[in-house]
Amino acid sequence: DAGVTQSPTHLIKTRGQQVTLRCSPISGHKSVSWYQQVLGQGPQFIFQYYEKEERGRGNFPDRFSARQFPNYSSELNVNALLLGDSALYLCASSLYTGAGELFFGEGSRLTVL
Amino acid sequence: AQSVSQHNHHVILSEAASLELGCNYSYGGTVNLFWYVQYPGQHLQLLLKYFSGDPLVKGIKGFEAEFIKSKFSFNLRKPSVQWSDTAEYFCAPQALGALTFGSGTRLQVQP
Repeated sequence: DAGVTQSPTHLIKTRGQQVTLRCSPISGHKSVSWYQQVLGQGPQFIFQYYEKEERGRGNFPDRFSARQFPNYSSELNVNALLLGDSALYLCASSLYTGAGELFFGEGSRLTVL
Repeated sequence: AQSVSQHNHHVILSEAASLELGCNYSYGGTVNLFWYVQYPGQHLQLLLKYFSGDPLVKGIKGFEAEFIKSKFSFNLRKPSVQWSDTAEYFCAPQALGALTFGSGTRLQVQP
């Protein structure tokens, strides 16, 4: 069975640009969450979506946005990129929202120059 | 807001040594508790989880953790580590679906 898939795996942007990251959850999973992992730190929660609705938002600026599609895949958008946005962006899927195990993808590594 | 503290940032052990990694969290409500592991070059994987019931939970690869409610702790243990346990370990309480990860403990096991 395919796990959580993310694309692209690596990308380089310059300050001020915009980026879109994509995630496909495990088949049958209806919830997708996004996390940011800066080098040397633990992942930080950005968003959780369930059935196309936002169910949770972490402490990130409005430059970060996301959406979930009818097929449960998801996109994370970051506008006006800053150097500090350089990180590994992780997508996780789960069966439902609320309590339960999250399954993580390999991540998209974003470098902002 | 909940927070989590992992006391050991970098641990170096010899093979067959015993392991205990500390994790304390703060949250006023009911939480589920997880330990995730990140092997070099791999994605985060679930090691073990606690939702309710027996406070001593067993996970994969011989790992176990004990939930002590009065101490808000969920420490990870393994009686005898192997070189293949070299990885980064994250404690993560879960509330309302979101995980709050600790800063991680890098475990290095020397053969």
